[in-house]
Amino acid sequence: DIQMTQSPSSLSASVGDKITITCRASQNIAFYLNWYQHKPGKAPNLLIYAASKLHSGAPSRFSGSGSGTDFTLTISSLQPEDFATYYCLQTYTTPLAFGGGTKLEIK
Amino acid sequence: EVQLVESGGGLIPPGRSLRLSCTVSGFTFGEFAMSWFRRAPGKGLEWVGFIRTRPYGGTTEYAASVKGRFSISRDDSKSIAYLQMNSLHAEDTAVYYCSRLHYDGAGSYYFDHWGQGNLVTVSS
Repeated sequence: DIQMTQSPSSLSASVGDKITITCRASQNIAFYLNWYQHKPGKAPNLLIYAASKLHSGAPSRFSGSGSGTDFTLTISSLQPEDFATYYCLQTYTTPLAFGGGTKLEIK
Repeated sequence: EVQLVESGGGLIPPGRSLRLSCTVSGFTFGEFAMSWFRRAPGKGLEWVGFIRTRPYGGTTEYAASVKGRFSISRDDSKSIAYLQMNSLHAEDTAVYYCSRLHYDGAGSYYFDHWGQGNLVTVSS
């Protein structure tokens, strides 16, 4: 099974900051990597698919990069509504696997 | 507007069974594979399983943690996906989400629309 290691597990930042979250796969998953934002009581929200493609409706301050085993999610300038938990998800093969999540908090 | 609504959750004693439903609207249900996910208290998101469309046999895949206890089915005529959960454990306590799997035609698969979730609490 593919394991996804996400870091950091938590992050404290301020509005306007640029932040990066990383996800590492235990084996090559090509570009089959999605990023989600999740807020309590809400449905998960797709931000990035295929490692670097911005989902329609996601703000352009979100970007993704990487392929193979190493991936990053970058938020260029944090907005108040961005404070949430972020997850990567590999869809290369079953069992599908999420990273452990990154809780982004206001400093 | 695409909508997915989960229902059927609640408080259930350990060892019992429960069936969740995911009722969808706003798209042609039969054209999409459907998946279930969950988030247990204090933990991250976890994939539970999915069901393919009829042209792909309507076959299913499951996470190891639920294989043999949970099963997913679909009724394309009613636009509903089901998650049958048997032999429930306390560790199955979670908010359960359904989602559709989108294929963009260029090799990318992603879960683009999700329900709001339905809480299942396994406790005596």
